[in-house]
Amino acid sequence: GQSLEQPSEVTAVEGAIVQINCTYQTSGFYGLSWYQQHDGGAPTFLSYNALDGLEETGRFSSFLSRSDSYGYLLLQELQMKDSASYFCAPLSGGYNKLIFGAGTRLAVHP
Amino acid sequence: EPEVTQTPSHQVTQMGQEVILRCVPISNHLYFYWYRQILGQKVEFLVSFYNNEISEKSEIFDDQFSVERPDGSNFTLKIRSTKLEDSAMYFCASMSGLGGANTGELFFGEGSRLTVL
Repeated sequence: GQSLEQPSEVTAVEGAIVQINCTYQTSGFYGLSWYQQHDGGAPTFLSYNALDGLEETGRFSSFLSRSDSYGYLLLQELQMKDSASYFCAPLSGGYNKLIFGAGTRLAVHP
Repeated sequence: EPEVTQTPSHQVTQMGQEVILRCVPISNHLYFYWYRQILGQKVEFLVSFYNNEISEKSEIFDDQFSVERPDGSNFTLKIRSTKLEDSAMYFCASMSGLGGANTGELFFGEGSRLTVL
């Protein structure tokens, strides 16, 4: 079967750093994606890790450890506009299937 | 910039009626998907489509659901006899897959909100 765990809510202040963890269990694993979704909007792609290690894209970084079936999304210099839900999504299967976790709701306060 | 487009943005229907949701994926993409999101809940995988056939489907995607790519550009989701619990936002997405690349990047449309009364 498949399982995904990530925290349901995280709160932080502007300018801070937040780490959102994700543990997964899936067969045919290719890599781990992260998506952001603002209320009422569509999910938008943030990053993808196919290999172990850290990928950096501006203020956002993502990390993967295949051996631990674990990844995280690191958001630095938080801004109010970062308030959104963040989903980890393992890429698996023969046809690039992405299954989304329950999501972590991030609230950024002044 | 290329984008996935969906129509209608909102549809209200009576229980038991058939609904067709339409999507135009990004033109050179090879993988197509439908997801749904019930209000306040997670994004749920319904079905993936590749090489003109369903490649995977979830337990949600039962006999009342079907997908088609009738003309090489449109990608449709049909719900044959809608139920109250089908009320949700339905997202279409596409992934490139060109050259066999797995980038983990799905491009989502803005969604079609279905309300079943």
